[in-house]
Amino acid sequence: DSGVTQTPKHLITATGQRVTLRCSPRSGDLSVYWYQQSLDQGLQFLIQYYNGEERAKGNILERFSAQQFPDLHSELNLSSLELGDSALYFCASSVARRGPWTDTQYFGPGTRLTVL
Amino acid sequence: AQTVTQSQPEMSVQEAETVTLSCTYDTSESDYYLFWYKQPPSRQMILVIRQEAYKQQNATENRFSVNFQKAAKSFSLKISDSQLGDAAMYFCAYGSNTDKLIFGTGTRLQVFP
Repeated sequence: DSGVTQTPKHLITATGQRVTLRCSPRSGDLSVYWYQQSLDQGLQFLIQYYNGEERAKGNILERFSAQQFPDLHSELNLSSLELGDSALYFCASSVARRGPWTDTQYFGPGTRLTVL
Repeated sequence: AQTVTQSQPEMSVQEAETVTLSCTYDTSESDYYLFWYKQPPSRQMILVIRQEAYKQQNATENRFSVNFQKAAKSFSLKISDSQLGDAAMYFCAYGSNTDKLIFGTGTRLQVFP
């Protein structure tokens, strides 16, 4: 158990709909990262938040948005869903402060999104 | 831009034997970190081992060790005494501290009894 939680585990929805994925980071971690893993692919970075602020953006579609709340949990909102959005969405967290340690990202169990 | 390449889509090993998974990367940075993550059928991403680029000593975690060749930009994972539970997808990842991870496409490892 990495200490990162994600809900829901599975989500089945229809094209055109909107869903929200939720992530709670490990205790003490300030940064949350969202990744997308399509079938049998590597993980693609979507977006990073640090202590409530957006820090970095990757290949995130305009239909997708995210935020990090004061309690540090994060939500990824996916709207106008298309068949191609079906994937495993991972959240990871890390301390994300430079220091005498290796900043390591620990991953949640993922949310499997199926768009029909 | 940084890239990570895993040239072995699939590997197989006999139980109790040793297997090495390859990874190469490209970067112009001098300060970075490399990771191997394991993804079993449950799809959970599990950290296997990590290596700081500034350290010359290769990282070791029990049966898992790396061969880090900084000049060649190579970061291979050696699994000794392979076990059935080692069967999984293995992803090599590159990161600059506090930044996103860049993943390779993965190597599927099969372990035969």
